[in-house]
Amino acid sequence: AQKITQTQPGMFVQEKEAVTLDCTYDTSDQSYGLFWYKQPSSGEMIFLIYQGSYDEQNATEGRYSLNFQKARKSANLVISASQLGDSAMYFCAMREGLRDSSYKLIFGSGTRLLVRP
Amino acid sequence: DSGVTQTPKHLITATGQRVTLRCSPRSGDLSVYWYQQSLDQGLQFLIQYYNGEERAKGNILERFSAQQFPDLHSELNLSSLELGDSALYFCASSTRRGGAEVNADTQYFGPGTRLTVL
Repeated sequence: AQKITQTQPGMFVQEKEAVTLDCTYDTSDQSYGLFWYKQPSSGEMIFLIYQGSYDEQNATEGRYSLNFQKARKSANLVISASQLGDSAMYFCAMREGLRDSSYKLIFGSGTRLLVRP
Repeated sequence: DSGVTQTPKHLITATGQRVTLRCSPRSGDLSVYWYQQSLDQGLQFLIQYYNGEERAKGNILERFSAQQFPDLHSELNLSSLELGDSALYFCASSTRRGGAEVNADTQYFGPGTRLTVL
């Protein structure tokens, strides 16, 4: 069954340092997509970055990069040069292929990141 | 700002009541998804509509229903409310139904409606 696992309930990072948030996934599909979303204390869900299962290069978006290791089924989010505004909950999500016409996202339980000044 | 709007932002009601949550997708997006975020269940997919038609269902209770109108806005109806229905309800939208690049079809989320059932 499709599943997303985020094993770090909470993390601290010093401002201006890099941090890695872990995400592992389980799927039997060959075609799938992986997403990271940020949820600040205000509650909205903000799309950060996407990685396709057939993408050969790791995705990057500004200070965000996705360390995609397909054989290990991991899709870790790396935030470089952390800022105070990065303090938030981070969710890893997966979307599988068209097998059952279901386009839903499956979410992990999230990691709460706190950036220290 | 994702471009997805949801109203109301907050809703407080009593058990047994019925409420309607409204969502307007991003301009041009044909798909609308509803998700529920609660402390015990996390983020769960409820239902998806594409261009007015239901496309996929998740763990949506029979007391809940949704529809998508010709102008593509969507409503989620919650009836016979129970305390456990208290949650943050998100609407998300995306452009395409699917196809060759389905996995790149990013869902953009609205700000959510926080429902409190007393």
